[in-house]
Formats: sequence, structure tokens, C-alpha cells
Amino acid sequence: LAKTTQPISMDSYEGQEVNITCSHNNIATNDYITWYQQFPSQGPRFIIQGYKTKVTNEVASLFIPADRKSSTLSLPRVSLSDTAVYYCLVGGDNQGGKLIFGQGTELSVKP
Amino acid sequence: EAQVTQNPRYLITVTGKKLTVTCSQNMNHEYMSWYRQDPGLGLRQIYYSMNVEVTDKGDVPEGYKVSRKEKRNFPLILESPSPNQTSLYFCASSWASGREDTQYFGPGTRLTVL
Repeated sequence: LAKTTQPISMDSYEGQEVNITCSHNNIATNDYITWYQQFPSQGPRFIIQGYKTKVTNEVASLFIPADRKSSTLSLPRVSLSDTAVYYCLVGGDNQGGKLIFGQGTELSVKP
Repeated sequence: EAQVTQNPRYLITVTGKKLTVTCSQNMNHEYMSWYRQDPGLGLRQIYYSMNVEVTDKGDVPEGYKVSRKEKRNFPLILESPSPNQTSLYFCASSWASGREDTQYFGPGTRLTVL
């Protein structure tokens, strides 16, 4: 199972772009990379998912290099409401149902 | 509205008193799982179920039981709770566990065992 490593915490200011990198050195061929966002006292919710290169939606972008051993979640022009914990999850069909979330990155956005 | 519901949302109990936390989803999802969340440890999977009558251990199954008699329900059972099971618990569901399957999480159950 691919283990993920993320920074424990990050600080930013409103209006800045924030990049959170996740390392997953033993990612398998069938594994996808998914990012979740969690606000205090709520369950995590899906942000973005990708397999390779770049994926963009209305909330974020996900950059995945060719070797797929890491991925970077990019949040453009963050606001105070983006203060949350962000989890990187690597999973695929070959894991038989077991999912391993990392410790997550606690992002704090200041005015 | 598509959702995962958990009950109760908050529970304070005493050591050894059996309890059940219910989880239900209305999205006809095959896959369901339970997580616990503790400060500094992130989300850790307790048990998961690929389908009805199929359950398996996650990373931290000790002290917990689950059952999947119906597709929509996946209760978490603590036969003899201990203080180290004080935690925030989340139930989640998805179409499957594999690629392109995003997890839908419930609102959480905060459990305190005295």
C-alpha cells in the first residue's frame, strides 16, 4: 500500500497561492491520487483527483510529475475559508479495499 | 439528498458499556468504511466492507466489530469500550474502493469513554 507523506502544517495569507506537496514513493501503476479537505468538526470532502500530468477544477489544480512519486495540490488565491486540513490519498483497484490516509496538512490562512 | 448519516453525533459513556454507532448511506454504494481521527494521527481506517456480508480489517481494528447485513447500513460496535477509544469517528461510503472512487464522509461521532 502506498504510504503518503505531507507537511504537518502550512501558513499563508489571503490572496496567495498555496501549494501542498504529497510524497508517495511506492505508488502503484493502478493508483489514483485524491485530495480531500476537512473543516473542523466535519467529515472530509473530495477536492480533486488525478492520475498523471495536471488536473484542474473550479476549486484547485493537481500537478503530478511523470514519475508520479509526488503530487502537488495548488489552491489559487486562498481566502480565510480555505483554512482546513488537507489529506492526500493514494489508492487503486489492487489494494483490496484498504485505504490509508496520511496525517494531513493543516493549512492556516491569515488576513 | 445524497448523504451519509451517523448516530449519535456525540456520546459519553463509561468503560465496558457496550455501544453501537450507526451509519447509513442512501447512495446505493457498495463500499463502506469506518475511520477514527485523533490529534496528530490523521484518519485511520478501522474496518471496511466491499459489499453486503463482506467485511475486513483496516489499520486499527482492535476493540471494534462491524456488520454489513444490508447495503445501506454499516454499524460500528464497541463491545467493551475503553478510554483509549475516545476519538472522533467517521463513516464513509463510495461506489467501490478503487480508482476514481471518491469517499463520501458522514458528519462524525465524537465518543468519550470515561
